[in-house]
Formats: sequence, structure tokens, C-alpha cells
Amino acid sequence: ELKVEQNPLFLSMQEGKNYTIYCNYSTTSDRLYWYRQDPGKSLESLFVLLSNGAVKQEGRLMASLDTKARLSTLHITAAVHDLSATYFCAVGYSGGGADGLTFGKGTHLIIQP
Amino acid sequence: NAGVMQNPRHLVRRRGQEARLRCSPMKGHSHVYWYRQLPEEGLKFMVYLQKENIIDESGMPKERFSAEFPKEGPSILRIQQVVRGDSAAYFCASSAGHLNTEAFFGQGTRLTVV
Repeated sequence: ELKVEQNPLFLSMQEGKNYTIYCNYSTTSDRLYWYRQDPGKSLESLFVLLSNGAVKQEGRLMASLDTKARLSTLHITAAVHDLSATYFCAVGYSGGGADGLTFGKGTHLIIQP
Repeated sequence: NAGVMQNPRHLVRRRGQEARLRCSPMKGHSHVYWYRQLPEEGLKFMVYLQKENIIDESGMPKERFSAEFPKEGPSILRIQQVVRGDSAAYFCASSAGHLNTEAFFGQGTRLTVV
């Protein structure tokens, strides 16, 4: 069974600081996604990572994937208040018969002025 | 190009009633996924469908839950004889392909069982 663990689960940080959210998963995966969710809203796709060493950046967010370590990171640079949200990583595995994504519990990020 | 459309956005049902949740995928998408999200939790995969076929229902409870994606019309997630534990947000996602393609999520249906 594929397990996905995110840490930290809660993060309060000040504007202007840098921080990293970690996503570990338990078995081989062929795709990893990062999503953002605002309270009461749907999920917004941030990044799709498909290969070892993949790195993608959008604004103040950068995601990377190390398939050998089964680890993805979401790095936040010079945080701003608008980035406050819950961030989920989700992992897909096509070989185990489960076609859906397995989500982590999410990281609740609060960025204070 | 409208995104994934789910309705209703909010649904209140009494215990024992039936709940029907609808999902219209994005135009051109033939793959639909249903997920359930409990408060303060991540999403849990329920079922994956293509037109007229259930491909993977490994995340569906064995009883009371069913899903369909007919040739015409939206995908339906049906919950019979709802119980309080069914209260959750139910999200639908669609994609153009299956592996290595991006899935887009709808706004969700928040089901409350009273």
C-alpha cells in the first residue's frame, strides 16, 4: 500500500522567510503532484513532477523530486501572505492496481505579516 | 472552456436518505476520478471511471456507494442510506488521459448528513 507523509503538518512563518515542505512516499511512483487548497475551495494544481531530478519553479514556489530517496520538496522563497493555504502532495503509482492518487495529509501554512 | 463542474455545491441529507452527486468533466476529458475529503485530512481516492466503464473502484466502500459515468451526461456518485460518517467533501477530477496527465479538480460537493 502506497503511503504518503508530509511534514510539517502545520507551519506558521513570517513574511520574507524561506521554508521547505517535505513529502515522503513509500513505494515506487511514476508521478508526483503538488496542489494548493484554500479554505472551502477546490484544489489548484501547482506542479507535476514525472522524473527523477525534476525541478519546477513558479514564482516563489519551487518543487523538486528525488525518486531514489522517494522524496519531493516544495520550497517557499521570501514568503508572502497570499501563499497562506494548505498544500498537498499526491503520488501516483500505476503498477499496483490503484489508479487514483494517494494524498498526504496536507501542510497548513500560515504566513504572518 | 469551463472547468470541472460539480453540483450541488452543498447537500444536506437526513440519515437514511440517498445522496446523488454530479460531475461534468472538462470538455474533451474522458477520465473521471472521485475523491472524498474528511475535515483536516487529505483526499482519499474512491473510484476511477471512463465512459460507461468503472476502471478502478478499490477506494469505494463495499456497500451503499456506487458510481457511474454514462455515455451521455455527467458522472454520478450515489450514496444510499446515508449515515453521519458520510459527511465530507466529495471532489471530482477529470483528465484527458490517464497516466502522466494532469487531473483538474472541481469545486467539490460538501455533503452534510443530519
